[in-house]
Amino acid sequence: SQTIHQWPATLVQPVGSPLSLECTVEGTSNPNLYWYRQAAGRGLQLLFYSVGIGQISSEVPQNLSASRPQDRQFILSSKKLLLSDSGFYLCAWSFKEKLFFGSGTQLSVL
Amino acid sequence: SQELEQSPQSLIVQEGKNLTINCTSSKTLYGLYWYKQKYGEGLIFLMMLQKGGEEKSHEKITAKLDEKKQQSSLHITASQPSHAGIYLCGADTGANSKLTFGKGITLSVRP
Repeated sequence: SQTIHQWPATLVQPVGSPLSLECTVEGTSNPNLYWYRQAAGRGLQLLFYSVGIGQISSEVPQNLSASRPQDRQFILSSKKLLLSDSGFYLCAWSFKEKLFFGSGTQLSVL
Repeated sequence: SQELEQSPQSLIVQEGKNLTINCTSSKTLYGLYWYKQKYGEGLIFLMMLQKGGEEKSHEKITAKLDEKKQQSSLHITASQPSHAGIYLCGADTGANSKLTFGKGITLSVRP
């Protein structure tokens, strides 16, 4: 069966520090992968999606970037975090038109 | 862009009571998804509706998509504390399974 792993579960980072969140999917090949952010009062916002290795589409302009170095690995990064980057980050993959989500990373930028 | 409005924003019900929550789209939906989320956790897939007038049930939860495919309702029968959480609806934008989500409805069930 397919599973999705996301880590770390929580992260506290100072403003200006770098960020790397990792997501991996098991039990499938060539999945579509997604990064969403959930901020208080703003709902769930799609940040990036990828249909294959090295193929990244950005949905909103921001301080973040994404990379897909391997088929089942999706990484969310930032060189310098801003206070506004705080939020709950969710990785997801799609299968038969359905999205399945990881357990999320709560990022607090202080 | 497609926008989803969920109502009510929050809901508190007594255990055993029935309830209905709604999701309204600004555009015709290709597909409508319902998810449940516990605070601080990932989203759990509940149901997907694609056809006008479609209705699906799982255990005590029933979701419907109206004929015009612009509104969906989620009905819970005989609510239990395990039903508590945040319910989000998501709309298929028609490309690569990218979903647009509503802000969610927080459901509390009092024992």
